Amino acid sequence: DVVLTQTPPTLLATIGQSVSISCRSSQSLLHSNGNTYLNWLLQRTGQSPQPLIYLVSKLESGVPNRFSGSGSGTDFTLKISGVEAEDLGVYYCMQFTHYPRTFGGGTKLELK
Amino acid sequence: EVQLVESGGGLVQPGRSLKLSCVASGFTFSNYGMNWIRQAPGKGLEWVAYISSGSSYIYYAETVKGRFTISRDNAKNTLYLQMTSLRSEDTALYYCATYFFDYWGQGVMVTVSS
Repeated sequence: DVVLTQTPPTLLATIGQSVSISCRSSQSLLHSNGNTYLNWLLQRTGQSPQPLIYLVSKLESGVPNRFSGSGSGTDFTLKISGVEAEDLGVYYCMQFTHYPRTFGGGTKLELK
Repeated sequence: EVQLVESGGGLVQPGRSLKLSCVASGFTFSNYGMNWIRQAPGKGLEWVAYISSGSSYIYYAETVKGRFTISRDNAKNTLYLQMTSLRSEDTALYYCATYFFDYWGQGVMVTVSS
């Protein structure tokens, strides 16, 4: 199975600070069709996961452009350029290049 | 507007069965593969199963293979998860989500306890 390792597990930030979350995969997430199926999700407390980014770097509709994704192969990063209060919660990377689909362990973003 | 609404959860004894449903609206359900994902209390997300649009391709997590069955009724825009031989470790909030994980339901709680 593909293991996704997210770091850090907890991130303390102030409003306006820029932060990054790393997601490293145990295998390449490049599909034979040329796509890399790596998504980022945000789960606010008591809510369902909300998709933020798909195919490594594409923003879901309605997601603010302070969110950005980058990376390739096995190494991926989510960046938030200027944290806002509504960004607090747990961030997950996930892959659906391979079966079984797998999720990272999560990164909890909290206010410092 | 895309909506996914799960139902069928509850408290069940170990070894018993339960069937979850997920009713979809706002998109052409029959064109898309669907997933079930679960989240144990205070834990992360775990993918459970996938079914293709026409039910030709089905995949399961090893933790549920042989006990859970995913199915769908495209005429009713409904996805199902039949869960048998339930264990305490199956206790979780169960979500349905689209193939690309771009839409998620609100989740339904399953508690396995005597």
